Amino acid sequence: NAGVTQTPKFQVLKTGQSMTLQCAQDMNHNSMYWYRQDPGMGLRLIYYSASEGTTDKGEVPNGYNVSRLNKREFSLRLESAAPSQTSVYFCATNQGGGLHTEAFFGQGTRLTVV
Amino acid sequence: KQEVTQIPAALSVPEGENLVLNCSFTDSAIYNLQWFRQDPGKGLTSLLLIQSSQREQTSGRLNASLDKSSGRSTLYIAASQPGDSATYLCAPHGGNTGKLIFGQGTTLQVKP
Repeated sequence: NAGVTQTPKFQVLKTGQSMTLQCAQDMNHNSMYWYRQDPGMGLRLIYYSASEGTTDKGEVPNGYNVSRLNKREFSLRLESAAPSQTSVYFCATNQGGGLHTEAFFGQGTRLTVV
Repeated sequence: KQEVTQIPAALSVPEGENLVLNCSFTDSAIYNLQWFRQDPGKGLTSLLLIQSSQREQTSGRLNASLDKSSGRSTLYIAASQPGDSATYLCAPHGGNTGKLIFGQGTTLQVKP
């Protein structure tokens, strides 16, 4: 039982390059989230998907796009990476829908944009 | 907009002490509140989930309380150990979407 799996774990990009961060969960959860974590800023929500087929902006969506491919997978895309997007990215899941379930996190992707 | 504050930001204690970490939030319309632990360079590990109808949850040496009306939660750690050294994060779950809003965390160091 893998829980929440993120790929890749580490990535270095040049400014202007694009990439997609992948997240897959095997917990049969409805809701999935992308956060970024920066020193002194805490964890901030980028985008979320309350259920399959829906996505919504979080607190810091600029420069990102997402795709909820199916119930299991939620990807985050950087179309033109900028140094300000250097961060640690976490994917999370929970049941959502007002249900009282725990949220679980992946191990993170450390992204450096040079 | 939900805002979460954790006090203190950092805490250093000798091994064996009991300690309390504080979390306050501005919007009391939450479904659950969850406490996490994060070790340096690692992901978040769930410690406790308190449902909105509950006032307390316990797991081993950890006890978390929730007072929705006052917008406060506390995490009590009994008989602290060096292995408890980590950053502790609280996160209310808001609305039907289940979004988690995080505080900045409390970084705990337990000295042998």
